[in-house]
Amino acid sequence: AQSVSQHNHHVILSEAASLELGCNYSYGGTVNLFWYVQYPGQHLQLLLKYFSGDPLVKGIKGFEAEFIKSKFSFNLRKPSVQWSDTAEYFCAVNSLSGGYQKVTFGTGTKLQVIP
Amino acid sequence: NAGVTQTPKFQVLKTGQSMTLQCAQDMNHEYMSWYRQDPGMGLRLIHYSVGAGITDQGEVPNGYNVSRSTTEDFPLRLLSAAPSQTSVYFCASSYSGQVVGETQYFGPGTRLLVL
Repeated sequence: AQSVSQHNHHVILSEAASLELGCNYSYGGTVNLFWYVQYPGQHLQLLLKYFSGDPLVKGIKGFEAEFIKSKFSFNLRKPSVQWSDTAEYFCAVNSLSGGYQKVTFGTGTKLQVIP
Repeated sequence: NAGVTQTPKFQVLKTGQSMTLQCAQDMNHEYMSWYRQDPGMGLRLIHYSVGAGITDQGEVPNGYNVSRSTTEDFPLRLLSAAPSQTSVYFCASSYSGQVVGETQYFGPGTRLLVL
């Protein structure tokens, strides 16, 4: 069974600080990895996703993530956060099970950016 | 396109009452799913559908029923609400559900309180 771990539950940063949110997954086969963001009071939106190829994936709003297969990790990074990045971030792993996609989400990391 | 829509936005129920959460999408997506979001637990899959007339259980299906009579609509029914079903419910859709890495589009959510 696939699973996703997000070890940071709540992160507080000052504006302009660098961000790295951890995500580790477990699955024996081929996976695709996602980061979603949920701004306060809003629904989930896709930040970025990894299919194959270049393990460094760039997403919207200056976010990027690096897939490290040997570490089963897909950490999210941003060089300089803004107050508007305050949100909850979810890592997700997607595989095929019985011919259809199976998506498993992590428990989420709440990011609070202080002006 | 309206994308994925959900109604109602907020609902209060008494224990034992029944209700239906509505979800619709206008993107001609075959794959639709329902998640519940609880603090510290991320998103958990309740039920999903891979096309009209086809539904299956997810991770936490107990207490919920679904049906898929049309491609557009995927209602979630609570037959006898319990306080443990207090949560935020998200509906999501993707094109086919058969391709790993398909982007899921989420609705705005329904916040349900069961007293």
